[in-house]
Amino acid sequence: AQSVSQHNHHVILSEAASLELGCNYSYGGTVNLFWYVQYPGQHLQLLLKYFSGDPLVKGIKGFEAEFIKSKFSFNLRKPSVQWSDTAEYFCAYYRWNYGGSQGNLIFGKGTKLSVKP
Amino acid sequence: NAGVTQTPKFQVLKTGQSMTLQCAQDMNHNSMYWYRQDPGMGLRLIYYSASEGTTDKGEVPNGYNVSRLNKREFSLRLESAAPSQTSVYFCASSAPSRVGETQYFGPGTRLLVL
Repeated sequence: AQSVSQHNHHVILSEAASLELGCNYSYGGTVNLFWYVQYPGQHLQLLLKYFSGDPLVKGIKGFEAEFIKSKFSFNLRKPSVQWSDTAEYFCAYYRWNYGGSQGNLIFGKGTKLSVKP
Repeated sequence: NAGVTQTPKFQVLKTGQSMTLQCAQDMNHNSMYWYRQDPGMGLRLIYYSASEGTTDKGEVPNGYNVSRLNKREFSLRLESAAPSQTSVYFCASSAPSRVGETQYFGPGTRLLVL
């Protein structure tokens, strides 16, 4: 079955540390990949997305992600985290139905990031 | 432009009771979705509606029904609530294109079934 794997359940960092959250997907077809963030008590917000083109995607709040097709990966990075980045981060893959008709998002189980001030 | 709105924000039910979760979007999106979020499980798709008048099952549809009332509104109904349906429910909407789609989420409904 197609799936999205996020390697870390909980990551704890100090402010100014660099961040990399791993994400691997299992399907090799047309890829639409996303990172969403959920701040405590809030709904999911889109951080960034990759549909095609430059495999290095820049998102909001200084986040970026790199799509590496050969590794089926879409890791999220930030050079220097802040306390306000404390949140849960979800990687998602859009699975197209056969014939290119509309499909649906497959989510990873999420990674909680705690940033210590 | 409110985006995706959901009501209620929080609900407590007893086992066997029924309720309907409401969702509306003002972005003129064709597609709408219902997810549930459980700790350590990520988001799982319950039902979705590709367009007005159509609905399809997702990964975890058992115990739920949906109605796509019109283009704006997509409701989720629990006919006989069970403790296993205690969760946070998110509605989302999107406007698919040939190159992909981005889903936008509502604020969620926290449901506790006793």
